[in-house]
Amino acid sequence: EAEVAQSPRYKITEKSQAVAFWCDPISGHATLYWYRQILGQGPELLVQFQDESVVDDSQLPKDRFSAERLKGVDSTLKIQPAELGDSAMYLCASSLGARGPLETQYFGPGTRLLVL
Amino acid sequence: DQQVKQNSPSLSVQEGRISILNCDYTNSMFDYFLWYKKYPAEGPTFLISISSIKDKNEDGRFTVFLNKSAKHLSLHIVPSQPGDSAVYFCAARQAGTALIFGKGTTLSVSS
Repeated sequence: EAEVAQSPRYKITEKSQAVAFWCDPISGHATLYWYRQILGQGPELLVQFQDESVVDDSQLPKDRFSAERLKGVDSTLKIQPAELGDSAMYLCASSLGARGPLETQYFGPGTRLLVL
Repeated sequence: DQQVKQNSPSLSVQEGRISILNCDYTNSMFDYFLWYKKYPAEGPTFLISISSIKDKNEDGRFTVFLNKSAKHLSLHIVPSQPGDSAVYFCAARQAGTALIFGKGTTLSVSS
């Protein structure tokens, strides 16, 4: 069964350092999402791509976060500089991008970030 | 303001009994609703969904009910199994926008 791949699974960094997360969506999925999940909360969208274009980045802290999906396939999310409050699970999801059942998002295993 | 609310942080059920997880929403423009299950240190796993044009969708032991007038949906698991113990997230979306998640309900099924 096709899956969304993410790496690394765990990342420990010191504040003010740069970190990067990678996501490879399910083959053929045009829409890619990055979410952040803080413990005890549901996932919250950071950025949404349709192919290589950003559709929604209204909740992305653009002073320190950046995301790209250059060829419309895999994607990278970067934080520079990392702050203590960035400690969270970063989840990537993908969908076919159409409406209704085809819009179902499938999640990767996530990257657990700890900022010290 | 939370658009999707799961008011019960936790639920405990005995194996073989029914589990009912509830979710309320405020945005009448939501047209698609989903339930995800999440184990610790893993990403959410899609469980079941329902379109706003339906009021029920069933998949094996899982059934989702949608009451649009009350802006309420529920997930029924029958019979509950110990392996169902996880955090369950309700999510909703408006066409063309991203999912809005609730805070989750932790289900514990005891044998």
